[in-house]
Amino acid sequence: EPEVTQTPSHQVTQMGQEVILRCVPISNHLYFYWYRQILGQKVEFLVSFYNNEISEKSEIFDDQFSVERPDGSNFTLKIRSTKLEDSAMYFCASNAGTLGQETQYFGPGTRLLVL
Amino acid sequence: GDSVTQMEGPVTLSEEAFLTINCTYTATGYPSLFWYVQYPGEGLQLLLKATKADDKGSNKGFEATYRKETTSFHLEKGSVQVSDSAVYFCGGSNYQLIWGAGTKLIIKP
Repeated sequence: EPEVTQTPSHQVTQMGQEVILRCVPISNHLYFYWYRQILGQKVEFLVSFYNNEISEKSEIFDDQFSVERPDGSNFTLKIRSTKLEDSAMYFCASNAGTLGQETQYFGPGTRLLVL
Repeated sequence: GDSVTQMEGPVTLSEEAFLTINCTYTATGYPSLFWYVQYPGEGLQLLLKATKADDKGSNKGFEATYRKETTSFHLEKGSVQVSDSAVYFCGGSNYQLIWGAGTKLIIKP
């Protein structure tokens, strides 16, 4: 069964450094999402992406964040200058149908630790 | 704005007990509703979903019914197992998936 994959599974970085989290959505899916989950807290929506542009974004998704689909398979989340509070599990998701309405399939997550 | 509220955990039950985890939503229109499960050390997996009023989602012995009149989507299971121990997230979706805070379920043998 097709699945969403994410790399790396864990990343440790120094505060102020740039990180790029990578995701490979399911191949025929059209809508892509990033979420984060700070340890022990709820899952939070960051951004949705369709047709090579951002569809929706939350207040968390400020100018330090950007997303890109550099080729036909990858979907990346870049944090330009990491802060301690960016430490979280980051989940990528994708779905085939209408934005938000269809089942979103999640990757296993990337655990980011900012020191 | 849209929101999802679910009961706080942890919920601790003995094996074979009946489970209910409450979830209510506030949204414009009628969102699709989901339950996701996160097993220890793993990512999020869809457990079940319902896309319109009176729909019942079911999977692995879990059920939830989309109740428009009470704006609820409570998760139930008749007889829980130790392997059901996980964090359960209720979610509602119009254009983005809005999550509840998660309910940690602990099942003791």
